[in-house]
Amino acid sequence: DAKTTQPTSMDCAEGRAANLPCNHSTISGNEYVYWYRQIHSQGPQYIIHGLKNNETNEMASLIITEDRKSSTLILPHATLRDTAVYYCIVRANTNAGKSTFGDGTTLTVKP
Amino acid sequence: DGGITQSPKYLFRKEGQNVTLSCEQNLNHDAMYWYRQDPGQGLRLIYYSQIVNDFQKGDIAEGYSVSREKKESFPLTVTSAQKNPTAFYLCASRSSGAGTDTQYFGPGTRLTVL
Repeated sequence: DAKTTQPTSMDCAEGRAANLPCNHSTISGNEYVYWYRQIHSQGPQYIIHGLKNNETNEMASLIITEDRKSSTLILPHATLRDTAVYYCIVRANTNAGKSTFGDGTTLTVKP
Repeated sequence: DGGITQSPKYLFRKEGQNVTLSCEQNLNHDAMYWYRQDPGQGLRLIYYSQIVNDFQKGDIAEGYSVSREKKESFPLTVTSAQKNPTAFYLCASRSSGAGTDTQYFGPGTRLTVL
């Protein structure tokens, strides 16, 4: 699996967009970008994933650069309940589903 | 409700005792996983199983054992050989299909060895 690099922590004002970056410069052509988040003392929750096109669902948007070496998770209107650790994972769908969860980005949404 | 259950939420054991953590899923997923999480760190893979009666070691399997006798169940035993067993343990199962390969996690079991 390709290695990912994320900032250790970020702050965001409530109601504003939260933009969480992820670098994955060694990503392979068959590897997807997945995002999960983990609220304190709970299991991680799937947010969104993509291969090369931008994706949007009810939780977030995922923007992947054209060269696929980086991506940004966007929470359009952050709330206090979005405070969590956000993990960016790069994984092919053929590797038995094993995921490497790094330390992620701790997002703190402030009132 | 469909999902993954782990029990108990908190578990205390004395040093030197084996302990088994439960993980059950009713999502009809073939693949299941066990991760360990230490404070302030990411998840590390202990064991995974892609199908009933088969399982593979992950990155930190030493001191742990698993079984997969039923599709719905993937219990993890933390043995006395595990040098530092106090941690948060997470179980997951995987949905896979065209264009998707998503893991669903249980609520976790926090194990404290005294």
